[in-house]
Amino acid sequence: QKEVEQNSGPLSVPEGAIASLNCTYSDRVSQSFFWYRQYSGKSPELIMSIYSNGDKEDGRFTAQLNKASQYVSLLIRDSQPSDSATYLCAVRGYSGGGADGLTFGKGTHLIIQP
Amino acid sequence: DVKVTQSSRYLVKRTGEKVFLECVQDMDHENMFWYRQDPGLGLRLIYFSYDVKMKEKGDIPEGYSVSREKKERFSLILESASTNQTSMYLCASLRQTNSNQPQHFGDGTRLSIL
Repeated sequence: QKEVEQNSGPLSVPEGAIASLNCTYSDRVSQSFFWYRQYSGKSPELIMSIYSNGDKEDGRFTAQLNKASQYVSLLIRDSQPSDSATYLCAVRGYSGGGADGLTFGKGTHLIIQP
Repeated sequence: DVKVTQSSRYLVKRTGEKVFLECVQDMDHENMFWYRQDPGLGLRLIYFSYDVKMKEKGDIPEGYSVSREKKERFSLILESASTNQTSMYLCASLRQTNSNQPQHFGDGTRLSIL
């Protein structure tokens, strides 16, 4: 059983600070890694994707991947109240859903305190 | 922008009914997916399709079937609805097999089985 683990939170961060979200995965052959943001009652929207070891930056967001440690993280700089949401880590690999099925973590609930 | 459209945002059906959830994408994507999302369980893959008339089971296919008669449309069918199928259902699409591109989600259908 392929697993993706996230701390469910809630993770409370002051406005303007850096929010750090973490995710570990069990399947070593996982290929691609995604962070989705989901507001309550809404569908997931893609924030970042990363495929190679190291860091990838896009605006206030930085994704970090360490395949040896089977660890992926998302950093949000200058956190804003609008960043308050649930963040889903998703891993594409050879799950029960085939090569393209995503296995999701249960999500981390992030709260940015004004 | 990719547009994935689910036919209903909210749906209420009765136990034993046959229920159809429809999903349409407008970007000629090869792959389409159906997930359900439940509190504490996260997003789980039900079925997916690589091409017209092709389907593969995901992690939780029991009680469901799918149909893909046209490339742009992927239907999820609850053959005989039961109360444990009350959930948020999310459709997603992906441009091509074995790519690093992300899946794009529709707005979701919140289904209640009474």
